[in-house]
Amino acid sequence: DAGVIQSPRHEVTEMGQEVTLRCKPISGHDYLFWYRQTMMRGLELLIYFNNNVPIDDSGMPEDRFSAKMPNASFSTLKIQPSEPRDSAVYFCASRRTPSYGYTFGSGTRLTVV
Amino acid sequence: DQQVKQNSPSLSVQEGRISILNCDYTNSMFDYFLWYKKYPAEGPTFLISISSIKDKNEDGRFTVFLNKSAKHLSLHIVPSQPGDSAVYFCAATPYGGSQGNLIFGKGTKLSVKP
Repeated sequence: DAGVIQSPRHEVTEMGQEVTLRCKPISGHDYLFWYRQTMMRGLELLIYFNNNVPIDDSGMPEDRFSAKMPNASFSTLKIQPSEPRDSAVYFCASRRTPSYGYTFGSGTRLTVV
Repeated sequence: DQQVKQNSPSLSVQEGRISILNCDYTNSMFDYFLWYKKYPAEGPTFLISISSIKDKNEDGRFTVFLNKSAKHLSLHIVPSQPGDSAVYFCAATPYGGSQGNLIFGKGTKLSVKP
């Protein structure tokens, strides 16, 4: 099992540019989560999907953030336009009902300059 | 308002001694709790969990204690090893975890000195 795969591992972009983060969950997992980690706020949930359907996006900070899950094996998190305060590590995680625990990807470190 | 709080950002312990990491929660609907461990440049990995019907769960050197009346849980690592040095996240979920998401604390960075 390859685990949860995120790409890219690192992204440096200029303010105002569009950024797309990608995630491939573990096959057979029916939940997918996007988290953001910062020193100030720790691990905060942005959005999660169940069977490819967005369930709760209340954690998405602004309309600049959007997420999609077109199929069970792929999800994207897009930021447009990006701002320096978006700099953080973004994690994708998946799990399979009824398991409680998540499997996290290795994260994408985003730096907006 | 944080529903899961880890009030100690860091903890330093000597190798061989006990490490105790603490976590408080405010939501009485939480009934399943987990600890995750995170090394630099990696994603968090599951360590140990406990259901609200128990007050203790043990797995090797790791034991989690739950005090529901105080809304407090703790992770004990005995004996601590240098490889345990990592950031530890406490997480909680309601409804037995069968739906929804985990709520994480901000993490505690544990340093185990040889």
